[in-house]
This record gives sequence, structure tokens and C-alpha cells, in this order.
Amino acid sequence: QVQLQESGPGLVKPSETLSLTCTVSGASISSYYWSWIRQPPGKGLEWIGYIYDSGSTKYNPSLKSRVTISVDTSKNQFSLNLGSVAAADTAVYFCTRGSKLYYFDYWGQGTLVTVSS
Amino acid sequence: QSALTQPASVSGSPGQSITISCTGSSSDVGGYNSVSWYQQNPGKAPKLMIYDVSNRPSGVSNRFSGSKSGNTASLTISGLQAEDEADYYCSSYRSGSTLVFGGGTKVTVL
Repeated sequence: QVQLQESGPGLVKPSETLSLTCTVSGASISSYYWSWIRQPPGKGLEWIGYIYDSGSTKYNPSLKSRVTISVDTSKNQFSLNLGSVAAADTAVYFCTRGSKLYYFDYWGQGTLVTVSS
Repeated sequence: QSALTQPASVSGSPGQSITISCTGSSSDVGGYNSVSWYQQNPGKAPKLMIYDVSNRPSGVSNRFSGSKSGNTASLTISGLQAEDEADYYCSSYRSGSTLVFGGGTKVTVL
């Protein structure tokens, strides 16, 4: 079955870059739409961006200047880089798969990233 | 980008039906049949409950149904059960190939 697993540092300093990787099993990273979504503690979901077709990307306009999503087809992984982080970027970060662009049918368990000095 | 509008909370007694609304604009909910709904239990990842406005993934109870009228989509839970108590989020495609979520609705079973 399809499984997604986020990995990366749980603590990032302000102004530095948050980097997470999602390892996918049971599905080819070269197909489908792969998104990052985050959820600040006690708050709602926010779409960050997606990658598809092994490299085409689209980002949330409110985060676009700081976000990069990339894919490593050899490892069946995709990654998130979010630059110049601040406390407001503290959240649980989920990686997801979408059979279509506009919905998410498989989710990772999520990983909490705290931005603090 | 502005989120879709959902009520903060909805409640109902076991066996009743409840409806959660999700209001957007002609640039998202009203312009495309691309609304989806997610159920999230505390400390867990969201689960897809409805896609393409009214389609249920395999394994989702038929007590969950979705619809849309104009710029507002709705999720109805029929025969409410204790296990339905959770947070629910809508999501929609938005023009420009972006995606947007609603603010979330907490469903309480009385």
C-alpha cells in the first residue's frame, strides 16, 4: 500500500532554512501530485505547494518567495525547503499524494517543526 | 491567500444529520467541481472523505455526502455517530492552479 514518511530536523533557528524530506513507498514519485501541507499548533491546514511530472511546481502565493519543492526520482523522495523561517512557521508539516491536482488521498503522519533559537 | 469560510463548530445528537458549509468564491468553490473534504482526529493526519464535490473514496461510510450550490459546498453527515466527532476541513482548487483550505469545523456529538 501507499505510505509516506516525513523526516528532518524538529528544531530550526529563526532566519535559517527548514528542510524536510518525504519518502514514498508503494507509488512512483514520477506519477501523481505530491504536496506539502502544514498545520500550526491548534490551527487549520495550509497548503504550501506541490510538485508533479518529476519537476513542475506550484506554490502558495503567500509563501512563494521562500519555498522550494524538489524531487529525487532515484530515491522516490520529494523535499521541502522553506527559507528565512520565523516563529510563525512552527507547525506540523505533512507530505501528501494526490491522484488529481486538487485533492490529497494519502498523507504522511506529519512531523512537528519548531522554529526557536 | 484567503481561506474558505467554514463554521467554527457544529453539533448534533446521535442519529441526527448535520451539515457543514464551505463558502468561497467564483475563483474557487463556485468555479470548479474540485472540492474535497477531510476528517482529522486529534494528533492524526487528515483523511480524505469526499472528492470532486460528491464522490466518496473506497471505505468511507455512505453516511458522508457532499454537494455544492453556487459558491458554497456542503458536507452532510447522516446518522451521526460518536466516532464522527472530529475536525473537518474543506479544500478547493483555486484559479491559478493553487489550492486553498477552509478554516476547519469542529463537530461535536452531544
